[in-house]
Amino acid sequence: ETGVTQTPRHLVMGMTNKKSLKCEQHLGHNAMYWYKQSAKKPLELMFVYSLEERVENNSVPSRFSPECPNSSHLFLHLHTLQPEDSALYLCASSQEFAGELFFGEGSRLTVL
Amino acid sequence: AQRVTQPEKLLSVFKGAPVELKCNYSYSGSPELFWYVQYSRQRLQLLLRHISRESIKGFTADLNKGETSFHLKKPFAQEEDSAMYYCALSGRNYGQNFVFGPGTRLSVLP
Repeated sequence: ETGVTQTPRHLVMGMTNKKSLKCEQHLGHNAMYWYKQSAKKPLELMFVYSLEERVENNSVPSRFSPECPNSSHLFLHLHTLQPEDSALYLCASSQEFAGELFFGEGSRLTVL
Repeated sequence: AQRVTQPEKLLSVFKGAPVELKCNYSYSGSPELFWYVQYSRQRLQLLLRHISRESIKGFTADLNKGETSFHLKKPFAQEEDSAMYYCALSGRNYGQNFVFGPGTRLSVLP
């Protein structure tokens, strides 16, 4: 595998479920990002990790919980979500903070 | 606050015609500006960034600090240029967020 891979590609969950999105980058990059893309809004930056330390948190509700165990892996833990959280969640990485972003294909989340 | 605007949601041009995708930004400082592109069924990818000053697939973009613009241009559009184009801004320091514009869908007609 090369580049940035995200799993699962599609996820349907109820509002009381707990699930996680996974992102893995095989590029040797030092920064990783979570973005939310919904039909009504532009790409929204959610979280940024640089050298495994969270450096950005854009007022994201606590029902979204990120985790970066190492520089190659990034998780987004989801619990008690709302239907309006249904969106495409994109992971990205960059060699350095604020450099060129390499995106995954996204995880399409539907909250029932 | 940082902000990127792209006034056109959809832009349609004929093959061989010039194309210009507009991008304006607001930022206090010296940002880095990017254009990202998403072709059908492909992931979002970088098209060009202002510091490299390269021409990619015939596209160029000039940063105009006076007008706070970073318009994307190509003199002769091709059908394979049809895609979604996003202008993006980034500060270099922590706390200066990456911001994407809403995107412009370019449709190049035969």
